[in-house]
Amino acid sequence: NAGVTQTPKFQVLKTGQSMTLQCAQDMNHNSMYWYRQDPGMGLRLIYYSASEGTTDKGEVPNGYNVSRLNKREFSLRLESAAPSQTSVYFCASTSSTQGATEAFFGQGTRLTVV
Amino acid sequence: QKEVEQNSGPLSVPEGAIASLNCTYSDRGSQSFFWYRQYSGKSPELIMSIYSNGDKEDGRFTAQLNKASQYVSLLIRDSQPSDSATYLCAVKGTGRRALTFGSGTRLQVQP
Repeated sequence: NAGVTQTPKFQVLKTGQSMTLQCAQDMNHNSMYWYRQDPGMGLRLIYYSASEGTTDKGEVPNGYNVSRLNKREFSLRLESAAPSQTSVYFCASTSSTQGATEAFFGQGTRLTVV
Repeated sequence: QKEVEQNSGPLSVPEGAIASLNCTYSDRGSQSFFWYRQYSGKSPELIMSIYSNGDKEDGRFTAQLNKASQYVSLLIRDSQPSDSATYLCAVKGTGRRALTFGSGTRLQVQP
């Protein structure tokens, strides 16, 4: 089982460029999440999708958009990248629509905005 | 006050010792608690979940939960150098649909 797969693993963008981070899970999970991780700040929730067809803002949504394409896929888009968005991005999924069960993480995308 | 607080460390213990990692949370109604291990440059991986007061043991790992004190801990017995990593505490808060993470405690096990 692949679990949660993210692409790309590494990306360098220039300020103002756009890109989409892709995430897919093969565990038939209902909920999917995007987190960012910065040194000393742990994981912060950007957006989540409790079920197919729904998306909601998390703690740090500004500058990002998301699409829950189907039950398997949840993408994160940066429309105009800024240096403050330099971070490691993790996609995660859980079986519960209430987020009460353990989350499984993808391998992460290391993004640098110059 | 942060919703989930952890000492950033590093916590340094000798090989074979017990490592004790602590986490406090602010939402008294929280029901689900998780410990994740994250090696440098890797993604978090779940090592323990706990939902009710008391202790839960899995191999060398024991999670302890005290809801009255809003405190959850992770004990690692017979610590090994391979246990050296950052340990993240995660909490499912009241009405939340996602986990809230602490900033993690870095554990160093000295051979």
